[in-house]
Amino acid sequence: DVKVTQSSRYLVKRTGEKVFLECVQDMDHENMFWYRQDPGLGLRLIYFSYDVKMKEKGDIPEGYSVSREKKERFSLILESASTNQTSMYLCASSLVGTAGNTIYFGEGSWLTVV
Amino acid sequence: GENVEQHPSTLSVQEGDSAVIKCTYSDSASNYFPWYKQELGKRPQLIIDIRSNVGEKKDQRIAVTLNKTAKHFSLHITETQPEDSAVYFCAASPSGSARQLTFGSGTQLTVLP
Repeated sequence: DVKVTQSSRYLVKRTGEKVFLECVQDMDHENMFWYRQDPGLGLRLIYFSYDVKMKEKGDIPEGYSVSREKKERFSLILESASTNQTSMYLCASSLVGTAGNTIYFGEGSWLTVV
Repeated sequence: GENVEQHPSTLSVQEGDSAVIKCTYSDSASNYFPWYKQELGKRPQLIIDIRSNVGEKKDQRIAVTLNKTAKHFSLHITETQPEDSAVYFCAASPSGSARQLTFGSGTQLTVLP
């Protein structure tokens, strides 16, 4: 069974703090993704990575960066957290290739910035 | 890039009735259309998908239809049950896209007992 694990389910951070959200997958998937989920806006792609040390911007990359030093681990970094980054963050992974590979999601990390 | 619109945003049905959720997409190159279900507090999970060479696909009480000409696809749930209550997301994936999927905004389905 595919497992995508997000290390923190609930976080409360202060404005201006640097925040790390960690994600690990155990299926040797090449692709990993970070999405942000907000009511009425669906799942919006922040960044994705198709290989170690490779990354591409998604639809809403501003204020975020990512790191992929190992194939199984993909980190989302908020360099200076702001209140408008309060949201649910979902990590996901899939096999590489053209369209049609199932994306597997983690349980999500609820981030509140105060 | 791809743009996916999903309607309605909320849907309430009586237990046993059918529910239909509709999505439209903009990129004619999209060829893969999955549907994800997210129960309260849980991760989104794939429930059914369809590829552009197929017009309809069924899996027990759920079915998906695709109209490539009109660029829209729909999820149909028959004989709804309380455990069908969840947020449903449609998505579309252009061929050859590394980013894989563009999601719709989601539909909160509530099945009333």
